[in-house]
Amino acid sequence: GAVVSQHPSRVICKSGTSVKIECRSLDFQATTMFWYRQFPKKSLMLMATSNEGSKATYEQGVEKDKFLINHASLTLSTLTVTSAHPEDSSFYICSARPPGTDTQYFGPGTRLTVL
Amino acid sequence: QKEVEQNSGPLSVPEGAIASLNCTYSDRVSQSFFWYRQYSGKSPELIMSIYSNGDKEDGRFTAQLNKASQYVSLLIRDSQPSDSATYLCAVAMSGAGSYQLTFGKGTKLSVIP
Repeated sequence: GAVVSQHPSRVICKSGTSVKIECRSLDFQATTMFWYRQFPKKSLMLMATSNEGSKATYEQGVEKDKFLINHASLTLSTLTVTSAHPEDSSFYICSARPPGTDTQYFGPGTRLTVL
Repeated sequence: QKEVEQNSGPLSVPEGAIASLNCTYSDRVSQSFFWYRQYSGKSPELIMSIYSNGDKEDGRFTAQLNKASQYVSLLIRDSQPSDSATYLCAVAMSGAGSYQLTFGKGTKLSVIP
């Protein structure tokens, strides 16, 4: 149980385009989903916390207008990187929290490369 | 600043030995503690959670928690080369809201055949 999927697993795009990443909890309803970013050989960095039906809470330094998060249902959250630039190239990972627990289960991640 | 500290390593152990990974945390009222394993280029995978003082065993893995010392550890018995990965300690800090976890920077483990 507690499986989280992400799509796509890898994306290459041109500078200035927007990219949408989906995160789904497959066998449980996720009250809360989290979005992280990880640069090579660096630590996980929490970008935002997403609660179903409400606006995401962004961490300090994360631009909410650049990284649009939508959590429209209990099993789906999306992250849209708008007007992507090469410095946005990174490994984006979501996690989901089942109700009644503070355990986070991670998706497999999406590797974004912006040319 | 609520923090989770881990030695970055690398920690090298021979195959078959016990690997001991340590983690300290600053928030005395933290209640939930987790160990994740992250292979290079992959996302973190939950290994164990622990909530009470003492030991919790799951196969070759044992998590140990000492809340008085604000210390949590992970022991890996009969280490295998496939255990080579970065191990992340995570703590649910009080007052974090929305069940956020605070992660350590991870300890890189290398199991030498």
